[in-house]
Amino acid sequence: AQTVTQSQPEMSVQEAETVTLSCTYDTSESDYYLFWYKQPPSRQMILVIRQEAYKQQNATENRFSVNFQKAAKSFSLKISDSQLGDAAMYFCAYKDRNRDDKIIFGKGTRLHILP
Amino acid sequence: DTGVSQNPRHKITKRGQNVTFRCDPISEHNRLYWYRQTLGQGPEFLTYFQNEAQLEKSRLLSDRFSAERPKGSFSTLEIQRTEQGDSAMYLCASNSAAGGPNNEQFFGPGTRLTVL
Repeated sequence: AQTVTQSQPEMSVQEAETVTLSCTYDTSESDYYLFWYKQPPSRQMILVIRQEAYKQQNATENRFSVNFQKAAKSFSLKISDSQLGDAAMYFCAYKDRNRDDKIIFGKGTRLHILP
Repeated sequence: DTGVSQNPRHKITKRGQNVTFRCDPISEHNRLYWYRQTLGQGPEFLTYFQNEAQLEKSRLLSDRFSAERPKGSFSTLEIQRTEQGDSAMYLCASNSAAGGPNNEQFFGPGTRLTVL
């Protein structure tokens, strides 16, 4: 069974600084998607960035980028120039490319932005 | 596009009562998903529909839980004889099968259930 592990329950970063959130996963599949979702307090979850496993190039979305290490099954999220609005729970997630159903989520990392 | 909506946003009930939640997906989306998120955990998949057909159910969905999507639009999730362990946030998400396997799931704000 696939699993997603986030080992950092909470992290803090100074505004305008850079922070990296860690994620590891386990799967026997070779073709899959990885995601980072953001869940602000009392607001709905939104997709931050996604990575397709067959692409070697790391995905980037403005201030958000990932470091995808397929052999190590590692998928970290880097947030540059942190802003107060980045404060949220961040979930790393996995989806098998050949399945239409579930996304498997990690337990999340709560990110605090210090002004 | 008004996004995925869920009602009610909060529900407090006594143990043993039945509760029903509603999810309205984005109008053109034919796939609808239910997840449960307990405190300190990430969302866990419960079930999903394509149109009105329920195609997958998790082992988490005990026989006290039932989900329907009768006309392929909105969905309801009913929990019978609620237990304190059912206290959680119930999330709904939707997407379109035409979007392919990479298709993003759009989440609603959730219904927070508290069982006393």
